[in-house]
Order: sequence, then structure tokens, then C-alpha cells
Amino acid sequence: GAVVSQHPSWVICKSGTSVKIECRSLDFQATTMFWYRQFPKQSLMLMATSNEGSKATYEQGVEKDKFLINHASLTLSTLTVTSAHPEDSSFYICSAIPGTLDQPQHFGDGTRLSIL
Amino acid sequence: QKEVEQDPGPLSVPEGAIVSLNCTYSNSAFQYFMWYRQYSRKGPELLMYTYSSGNKEDGRFTAQVDKSSKYISLFIRDSQPSDSATYLCASSFQTGNQFYFGTGTSLTVIP
Repeated sequence: GAVVSQHPSWVICKSGTSVKIECRSLDFQATTMFWYRQFPKQSLMLMATSNEGSKATYEQGVEKDKFLINHASLTLSTLTVTSAHPEDSSFYICSAIPGTLDQPQHFGDGTRLSIL
Repeated sequence: QKEVEQDPGPLSVPEGAIVSLNCTYSNSAFQYFMWYRQYSRKGPELLMYTYSSGNKEDGRFTAQVDKSSKYISLFIRDSQPSDSATYLCASSFQTGNQFYFGTGTSLTVIP
């Protein structure tokens, strides 16, 4: 149980375009989801906390207008990288917490974003 | 000082060896301690999850938390080549709160 699906797994796009990444909890409802960014051989960097039905809470230094987060339902959160540039290229990972169980975060398989 | 410190390695062991992975943390208010395994280009996979101090065993894996010394350990018995991955420790105040991750230790088990 506690499966988190992330889509797409890999995306390549041109500079200036916007990219949407989906994070779904497949077998549980998640009131809270988290979005992370990971650079090669580095640990996870928390970008924002996404709560269903309310605005996301962004970590210091993360541009909320650049990284739009929408948690519209208990099973889906989306991260949109707007007007992406090469420096936005990274590995983006989401996680979710089962709402009714005392469990830690369960992670998706990540999205590799490459901006040309 | 980082909330959670972890030796990045890399660590290389022969197949069948006992592996010891360690982290230290700075905030005594942390209550939950996790170990995740991350294969290359994949998301972290939850391995072990413990509350407060003590040991927890699951198959070949044993997690230990010593709150008096703020020390977190993961032991892997009879290590296998499939255990080759990066291992991340994490701590939190509560399960629904932010996790504080170590930098990860890269492990290679040589056949």
C-alpha cells in the first residue's frame, strides 16, 4: 500500500515553455504532499508543502510564481514550472502522507526535467 | 550546523558483509526517524520507520535510534548486490511535518 505515482518520469523541453508534473496517491488520500528538488549526488531539497484545498507553503528561496503548486484533490497535486530555463533542469520528486494512518512520507519515482 | 548529518561515503563492501550506516542529528525534539533507499534515477523508498529510541528489525535490516547521543543507525546483514544504492536518513518532529534529510550514503555491494 501507500503508492505514489508521478508523471511524467522524464521530460525534455525548450527554454521558455511551461511544464506540469503530476503527483498522485493511488491507494490512499493525502491531505499533505511535498515537492522536492534533487541535484546529482545531493540530498533532497524541500521546495514546498502542498495542502489540499489551500495554498502551498514555499520554502525560503523558492519562487512561488516560478513553481506553481495546485493540490486540488486528496489524490492529486501538480507542480508547474513556468517559463522554464536550463537552470531549472533537475530531478523533481513528490511525496505524500496517508491522511488516516500514522505513517511517514511515501515518495514518487521522480521526474527528470531537462530544459534545452 | 545541519539538522541531520550523514557521511556521504562512498562505502564499498563485499557481498555477505554487515553494513553499518550512521547519522547524527542536532535537534533533541525529533521524534520520528526514517531510513530510505534510493536507486539511481528513482524516488526514495521507505525502508525503516521508528518512533523515539530503540531498535526495529525487518528482515536483514535493523534500525537503531539512540536519543541520548542523537545517533541513528541502519544495519544491513548478509548484504547483497541489490542493496547497492544511496541510503538516506531522515528525522521529523511529527509524521505530518517536514522531514530533515541527511545527504545520503552511497553503498556498493561487490559480488
